[in-house]
Amino acid sequence: QVQLVQSGAEVKKPGSSVKVSCKASGGTFSSYTISWVRQAPGQGLEWMGRIIVLLDITDYAQKFQGRVTITADKSTSTAYMELSSLRSEDTAVYYCARVKEDQLLVWGQGTLVTVSS
Amino acid sequence: SYELTQPPSVSVSPGQTATITCSGDALPKQYAYWYQQKPGQAPLLVTYKDSERPSGIPERFSGSSSGTTVTLTISGVQAEDEADYYCQSADSSGTYTIFGGGTKLTVL
Repeated sequence: QVQLVQSGAEVKKPGSSVKVSCKASGGTFSSYTISWVRQAPGQGLEWMGRIIVLLDITDYAQKFQGRVTITADKSTSTAYMELSSLRSEDTAVYYCARVKEDQLLVWGQGTLVTVSS
Repeated sequence: SYELTQPPSVSVSPGQTATITCSGDALPKQYAYWYQQKPGQAPLLVTYKDSERPSGIPERFSGSSSGTTVTLTISGVQAEDEADYYCQSADSSGTYTIFGGGTKLTVL
């Protein structure tokens, strides 16, 4: 049974960066594609990007190009999402999800990132 | 940029049928997926590849596709089905994932 466990909540200052981790267990991490999705308070789901772990290939939503970096460490079965130049509008719950044939099949529990001065 | 359009809200009485639509120009080329999200929880996949249902999802959840519109149908709605529902697909290139704006299902 594949499980994704994310790092804990973060409080960040505007202009800083945040790095959220997503540790996988119960499967073959190197065969995964991991997507990152965020949800601002009271708002909908927003896809940020993905990494094809085996090939180390990333794709990013145009909105986040230049501000987001998704990486994966095969040795620890952990994916990371780093978002820079944070602003108040980036306050959201950030989810990682394992992608299988375009479906987001298994989700992490979510990480709340609060951006506040 | 490419968008998927859903109605903001749908209301239905218990036992009746709820239909939630999702429209997008690339839907004839790309599969659609539906997720249920309850407050404070991560989304849960309820249908995939337009009309398939994952194991463990009740049979009352079904999906269909026609042209540029996909539809999630919940037959015999129960109180526990009250949630936000999101469609998801990809752009025409298949590279970028996109979500609809979400539909709040209210069980009266």
